[in-house]
Amino acid sequence: EVQLVESGGLLIQPGGSLRLSCAISGFSVGDSYVTWVRQAPRKGLEWVSVIYRGGETFYRDSVKGRFTISRDNSKNTVDLQMNSLTAEDTAVYYCARGSGWLEEWGQGTLVTVSA
Amino acid sequence: DIVMTQTPLSSPATLGQPASISCRSSQSLLHSDGNTYLNWLQQRPGQPPRVLIYKISNRFSGVPDRFSGSGAGTDFTLKISRVEAEDVGVYYCMQGTQFPHTFGQGTKLEIK
Repeated sequence: EVQLVESGGLLIQPGGSLRLSCAISGFSVGDSYVTWVRQAPRKGLEWVSVIYRGGETFYRDSVKGRFTISRDNSKNTVDLQMNSLTAEDTAVYYCARGSGWLEEWGQGTLVTVSA
Repeated sequence: DIVMTQTPLSSPATLGQPASISCRSSQSLLHSDGNTYLNWLQQRPGQPPRVLIYKISNRFSGVPDRFSGSGAGTDFTLKISRVEAEDVGVYYCMQGTQFPHTFGQGTKLEIK
């Protein structure tokens, strides 16, 4: 059974840094695409970043240079390092398997950026 | 960025009756690999999204056959043949053809 479990979300001050982690079971991160999507409170879905099976990474413009997606094949995890956080980054962050379409999703982890 | 526009944004549906949602993209979603990465997702209240339909018309594993997708190029439709109570939620179209991948605004399906 495929499972994705996000962790690391919390309340953080503007300008701070946070590292989210997506623990995966049921497939190997090294053989798959893993995407991060976020959802601001009472808002729609917003694509954030993806890491390809070959290691290539892509980001939306608003997080380029601030967020870094990476994976650890030995732990079967995909992380999202987030720096210079602003209030606009407040959202539930989901990790999902896939790229062109997102097959399975985690339950999400809430990041709140506020003073 | 490709803009995805859904209509309607709210859909009061009748149990047992059909419902449909439209999605239009600001440019063609035909990828150079020949696929069109137009997907439909459902988000029930308090739940993460889940994929219903991928690449226009392919039902994901476990999705009831009352859900169907159609379309091409820039115009796409999700149809529910007979609405059930468990279908309440927000439906999103999503394009996975060009980065950044983008979503429609969401269509809230509720029962009349």
